[in-house]
Amino acid sequence: NAGVTQTPKFRVLKTGQSMTLLCAQDMNHEYMYWYRQDPGMGLRLIHYSVGEGTTAKGEVPDGYNVSRLKKQNFLLGLESAAPSQTSVYFCASIQGQAVTGELFFGEGSRLTVL
Amino acid sequence: GQNIDQPTEMTATEGAIVQINCTYQTSGFNGLFWYQQHAGEAPTFLSYNVLDGLEEKGRFSSFLSRSKGYSYLLLKELQMKDSASYLCAVMDSNYQLIWGAGTKLIIKP
Repeated sequence: NAGVTQTPKFRVLKTGQSMTLLCAQDMNHEYMYWYRQDPGMGLRLIHYSVGEGTTAKGEVPDGYNVSRLKKQNFLLGLESAAPSQTSVYFCASIQGQAVTGELFFGEGSRLTVL
Repeated sequence: GQNIDQPTEMTATEGAIVQINCTYQTSGFNGLFWYQQHAGEAPTFLSYNVLDGLEEKGRFSSFLSRSKGYSYLLLKELQMKDSASYLCAVMDSNYQLIWGAGTKLIIKP
């Protein structure tokens, strides 16, 4: 049981390049989230999804796009990377409406934009 | 707007007890989470409260009062390895998870 897997774990980009972060979970969870975490700060919600084919904006969605074509996968895209997007990105998932507890996190993806 | 407040930093002594408070104002409520995060690592689950009252799990306990928009995490018999950031999060009525900035806990011998 792998839980939540993020790829890649590290990436260096140049300004203007694009990339996609993949989050995969094998627990049949309904809800999935993408966060960014900057030094000394808490987790800020970028986008989230409450089911296959649905996405919604969080508090810091600008510059990012997401897709949830398959229930187990939640993709985060950066179309034109900017230095302000240098951060650690965490994906998380949780069982659906019958929320009973643990939110599962991936290990994080460290992105540097030069 | 939605808001979650926690103290920025706390210091405690090894073997003692510490209480970390969290107050929240959100659009609806579907539960409150506490997580521990060591530097450079992903957060790890500590507790989940959806009903008022105290949940105890070993050295860690979490309390919730929905009417007051208030929770606390109680850590007993503190160990050096408890030095970490403690994150409070609330799931709102749209199933968004909103996080506080975290409380950095420093344990001194």
